[in-house]
Amino acid sequence: GDSVTQMEGPVTLSEEAFLTINCTYTATGYPSLFWYVQYPGEGLQLLLKATKADDKGSNKGFEATYRKETTSFHLEKGSVQVSDSAVYFCALSSNFGNEKLTFGTGTRLTIIP
Amino acid sequence: EPEVTQTPSHQVTQMGQEVILRCVPISNHLYFYWYRQILGQKVEFLVSFYNNEISEKSEIFDDQFSVERPDGSNFTLKIRSTKLEDSAMYFCASSARGRDQPQHFGDGTRLSIL
Repeated sequence: GDSVTQMEGPVTLSEEAFLTINCTYTATGYPSLFWYVQYPGEGLQLLLKATKADDKGSNKGFEATYRKETTSFHLEKGSVQVSDSAVYFCALSSNFGNEKLTFGTGTRLTIIP
Repeated sequence: EPEVTQTPSHQVTQMGQEVILRCVPISNHLYFYWYRQILGQKVEFLVSFYNNEISEKSEIFDDQFSVERPDGSNFTLKIRSTKLEDSAMYFCASSARGRDQPQHFGDGTRLSIL
């Protein structure tokens, strides 16, 4: 079945550092890929998405590129802020659309001033 | 921006009791979902619902669970006889039709079984 493997956390960085959170997936066909973020005490918010190979999703300075050859969707940000502290989840849904999401384990990110 | 709302935010229930978790999806969405997240673990799919019927369910979603859309706005998850291991955060989500349409999540209901 489908699966998502995410970089183990927690990750602690200083403000303005470069961030990478690795995500690889196993799926049949051409899944859609997502990053969701969960701030303390809140629900899951869509951060960005990509629906086909080589697509780049971006939002709030975060980027991730759908790499079919390496089955990866790594999350990056050039300069993190304290407000980026949250748990980040990589997820996929199958290529048929409106299907269930399969989540990675989540990576807790803490940014220190 | 429209959002998914869930009530209550926290539910405490005695083991063996029935519990109903409520969700109001985004109004023009057609697909509805329930997920759960046991403390410290990954978010797990429970069930998806479309056109007034279950479209997919996981092995977690056994006979103790049921879902209903009793009117045009609410979407509920019922657990008939709760167990200690049902303690988790339960998230409702909804999406519009289409492969590129993301799922929008509510803030969740924390269910604590005593």
